[in-house]
Amino acid sequence: EAQVTQNPRYLITVTGKKLTVTCSQNMNHEYMSWYRQDPGLGLRQIYYSMNVEVTDKGDVPEGYKVSRKEKRNFPLILESPSPNQTSLYFCASSNRLNTEAFFGQGTRLTVV
Amino acid sequence: AQSVTQLGSHVSVSEGALVLLRCNYSSSVPPYLFWYVQYPNQGLQLLLKYTSAATLVKGINGFEAEFKKSETSFHLTKPSAHMSDAAEYFCAVSPAYSGGGADGLTFGKGTHIFIQP
Repeated sequence: EAQVTQNPRYLITVTGKKLTVTCSQNMNHEYMSWYRQDPGLGLRQIYYSMNVEVTDKGDVPEGYKVSRKEKRNFPLILESPSPNQTSLYFCASSNRLNTEAFFGQGTRLTVV
Repeated sequence: AQSVTQLGSHVSVSEGALVLLRCNYSSSVPPYLFWYVQYPNQGLQLLLKYTSAATLVKGINGFEAEFKKSETSFHLTKPSAHMSDAAEYFCAVSPAYSGGGADGLTFGKGTHIFIQP
């Protein structure tokens, strides 16, 4: 089954403790992206990647890092999480022809 | 630059009544336009998309949307609401050269539909 898999689905952590949210897709897609969803703000893009070792900032990249060492994986790294990064995070992927973006189930992160 | 405005953060619709969600966009290049639906505790699912072919686009679950360039709008409609339509709906825009993929989407703030029996 074609899918985008995020882990974990839920995470509660403390301020300053480094964490990684993983994203993996099994569709051989070139493009991958991370969004955060906040009430009243919709989805905002954090980072995106157009292929292995090619990443670029989205609209709200501050406080986040990403890497794309393999085509299927696109982890989101929070080096020093802060409470304002409490949010619902989505990973998405699409192919080079870009007919449609496929989204993961989301990761609900709480930073206390 | 591109942006999307969705009018109303939530709407309440009686079961069987018309559903209308408004979306206006701004784009400096020819756009592709999308509606996504998000059910509780789930990711986003593509409902329908406009990619410069027919201006009236039909999607899943009986939804349709019409692209009106003169009004920069892409409103979503469904003739008869069903309880299962209760969800969050997002309008999104992408440059046509990007095609609507994971790199170029800009989303509106979302509209939640409440269905009343």
